[in-house]
Amino acid sequence: AAGVIQSPRHLIKEKRETATLKCYPIPRHDTVYWYQQGPGQDPQFLISFYEKMQSDKGSIPDRFSAQQFSDYHSELNMSSLELGDSALYFCASSRPTSGGPTDTQYFGPGTRLTVL
Amino acid sequence: AQKITQTQPGMFVQEKEAVTLDCTYDTSDPSYGLFWYKQPSSGEMIFLIYQGSYDQQNATEGRYSLNFQKARKSANLVISASQLGDSAMYFCAMRDSSSGTYKYIFGTGTRLKVLA
Repeated sequence: AAGVIQSPRHLIKEKRETATLKCYPIPRHDTVYWYQQGPGQDPQFLISFYEKMQSDKGSIPDRFSAQQFSDYHSELNMSSLELGDSALYFCASSRPTSGGPTDTQYFGPGTRLTVL
Repeated sequence: AQKITQTQPGMFVQEKEAVTLDCTYDTSDPSYGLFWYKQPSSGEMIFLIYQGSYDQQNATEGRYSLNFQKARKSANLVISASQLGDSAMYFCAMRDSSSGTYKYIFGTGTRLKVLA
């Protein structure tokens, strides 16, 4: 079965540089979520999109922005990178069933960002 | 406020034995979902099992079962016949609709080590 695709898998950047992470959800999934997992921590919700519109916002820095495109893929843009942005960034996707809180999120393999 | 608590930072289990990973949760929403994910050292988040708040029976998926005790607000994961490949970090997550959207909140995780 098709899974969530994330690219790149690994990314190394210098401080103050920019980075773009891409996420391709499972086919027919129209909701995308972004999470950030720091070393030794649990994943923290950043932002989500449903049908190409932002549906929720978590602890996402103002230096970060994201969008979902017409083909449902999503991109997370990160500017003015800081050392503390080094983390594993997950994208997850889900499909609405009843629209209630039962929709399982399927995670991609993650992008490991290292800021030097 | 919604909260997930995993009180066991680390657990050891002998191969072929069963192990229970604890998870308690707090929410004021009557409709919610509880999920368990496995994160091996390679980093990906693998969905294991789901329990809905209105489900009458405990969820099972192969060697995984969820001991759901609603009155006690606990959703413990039971892994039967442990295998060496079960060594990983395990996260309990909850999703409810109280915030109006369906982001997950995660516990801090339990690192399981299966001993040969």
